[in-house]
Amino acid sequence: GAVVSQHPSWVICKSGTSVKIECRSLDFQATTMFWYRQFPKQSLMLMATSNEGSKATYEQGVEKDKFLINHASLTLSTLTVTSAHPEDSSFYICSAIAGGPADTQYFGPGTRLTVL
Amino acid sequence: SQQGEEDPQALSIQEGENATMNCSYKTSINNLQWYRQNSGRGLVHLILIRSNEREKHSGRLRVTLDTSKKSSSLLITASRAADTASYFCATVRGGGADGLTFGKGTHLIIQP
Repeated sequence: GAVVSQHPSWVICKSGTSVKIECRSLDFQATTMFWYRQFPKQSLMLMATSNEGSKATYEQGVEKDKFLINHASLTLSTLTVTSAHPEDSSFYICSAIAGGPADTQYFGPGTRLTVL
Repeated sequence: SQQGEEDPQALSIQEGENATMNCSYKTSINNLQWYRQNSGRGLVHLILIRSNEREKHSGRLRVTLDTSKKSSSLLITASRAADTASYFCATVRGGGADGLTFGKGTHLIIQP
């Protein structure tokens, strides 16, 4: 089956630093990748849609200058949390689809970010 | 905004019993999906039901969809301790490659 990996699986950083999270599709080419955020004991919220070779589309309320997304290839999308603050601490999950309607999204294992 | 709303928010049953979770949504959909999430982990896709389907089975899972009521249910039969997890319904907003809108989830605890 389709496998999506994320790196790192967890990260702890100081307030004010930037953190990069990678999302890779291992055995398929992902035309579209999505980034979600999940706060403790809450549901997942879509942050942005990332298409290879074009600018990401951000959901309302998500600061594009704070959450930089780069989809440089068909197998890699990166999310950079710039100038992270404690309120950015969350579980970040990516997903990918191979193309066409988003019937089945393949999710990565998630990255837990803790900002001190 | 949240599309899917699951109920109950939490459910605790004995192993071997059946667990039923419900989901409601607000807008028209092409399909509805159910996912499972173990604590602190990623999501596992369980089942997808299309808008022209009323019921679908997969192993011990049974999903129903009522588009007139904009609701869906997930039934897990003969529950096992390993079924303990959070369960989310999710819908796709558009017809193309669009992100998922998740419900709030039901936390299911199976007591041995």
